[in-house]
Amino acid sequence: DGGITQSPKYLFRKEGQNVTLSCEQNLNHDAMYWYRQDPGQGLRLIYYSQIVNDFQKGDIAEGYSVSREKKESFPLTVTSAQKNPTAFYLCASSIQINYGYTFGSGTRLTVV
Amino acid sequence: GESVGLHLPTLSVQEGDNSIINCAYSNSASDYFIWYKQESGKGPQFIIDIRSNMDKRQGQRVTVLLNKTVKHLSLQIAATQPGDSAVYFCAETLPSNTGKLIFGQGTTLQVKP
Repeated sequence: DGGITQSPKYLFRKEGQNVTLSCEQNLNHDAMYWYRQDPGQGLRLIYYSQIVNDFQKGDIAEGYSVSREKKESFPLTVTSAQKNPTAFYLCASSIQINYGYTFGSGTRLTVV
Repeated sequence: GESVGLHLPTLSVQEGDNSIINCAYSNSASDYFIWYKQESGKGPQFIIDIRSNMDKRQGQRVTVLLNKTVKHLSLQIAATQPGDSAVYFCAETLPSNTGKLIFGQGTTLQVKP
């Protein structure tokens, strides 16, 4: 079955550590996105990529980095520069712009 | 500006009744709208979408209405079931080349048995 897979489901980070969240899709979608969701709030865009080897900052990119070396993969690194990283992170993909997203099941990151 | 808002944070309905979830958007240039359902601890799930050249679109038990005059979007769920309990988000996108969706804050639908 085609879909979008995020791993791990739960992730714990110590202060000062970088952590990388995985996002893989087998839908052959060109565009991929990373969103952050805080309790009781909507989704805020971190980074997006429309094609391989290209990505753009979203609304809250500070403290995060991404890469898009393969069409199927769009990993997100939460760096130590992100001062409040505890959140639910969602990866999404779409076949092209201005079409609906398919979301992954999310990664819950907690700073310990 | 870029903002999408839902009118009520929580909506409580009786099982079997119809539910109406509302959303107001601020950008009159937005041309594509989507409703998502998110269950606790899961990613959002696509429900239905509508483009700005339409006023109404129907799916299975769901209908989306778009009123461009007052920049209002609504999701109607017929014969609401306990499995419909979730947070519902509306999202909009502008006719640009980013494909970025702008999400509202979400409305929690509670279905009472």
